[in-house]
Amino acid sequence: NAGVMQNPRHLVRRRGQEARLRCSPMKGHSHVYWYRQLPEEGLKFMVYLQKENIIDESGMPKERFSAEFPKEGPSILRIQQVVRGDSAAYFCASSLAPPTGELFFGEGSRLTVL
Amino acid sequence: AQKITQTQPGMFVQEKEAVTLDCTYDTSDPSYGLFWYKQPSSGEMIFLIYQGSYDQQNATEGRYSLNFQKARKSANLVISASQLGDSAMYFCAMREGRGGSEKLVFGKGTKLTVNP
Repeated sequence: NAGVMQNPRHLVRRRGQEARLRCSPMKGHSHVYWYRQLPEEGLKFMVYLQKENIIDESGMPKERFSAEFPKEGPSILRIQQVVRGDSAAYFCASSLAPPTGELFFGEGSRLTVL
Repeated sequence: AQKITQTQPGMFVQEKEAVTLDCTYDTSDPSYGLFWYKQPSSGEMIFLIYQGSYDQQNATEGRYSLNFQKARKSANLVISASQLGDSAMYFCAMREGRGGSEKLVFGKGTKLTVNP
């Protein structure tokens, strides 16, 4: 039983480049969440997606950030024209149809912007 | 106002002893859920325990129990018989509402160190 799979685990980008982070939810889960963790902080909600739909993107920055969860394939968090402040750990989580009382996280993707 | 407050930046406990990690929350919604996660130095987030606001009994999962005091809006995590592998960051989180999503608000965390 594979858990939530995220890749890459570590990503280094220069300012102005694009970062793409991928997430495959647990088998049977069709609800995906992205969270961001800045150094020494707790996680902050970014976006909630179901297959082909963005349900809640209230935590997404208005510019440069986008997310998708296509019918086939993993969910993608895309950050265009990265800046140093985007350096963080990005966690994907998945669940069955809420409320479940369970939200399972991947191991995170650590983005470093030089 | 902070929705989740963890007042202990760091805690120390001797191996085999019990430890309580504090968490208070702030919500006006009668329906909510409370979660605890462990984050070891390797970075992954490990789900530990869940308590629903309408649950009559305190949640327990092995050595983890949640001391849920609704009137005080506290949801402290109790770890019994601490082990060296329990050394990690611990995060309390809350889901507001009836659960249309698992959108969680996290506290800043408590760093637990278990001494041999």
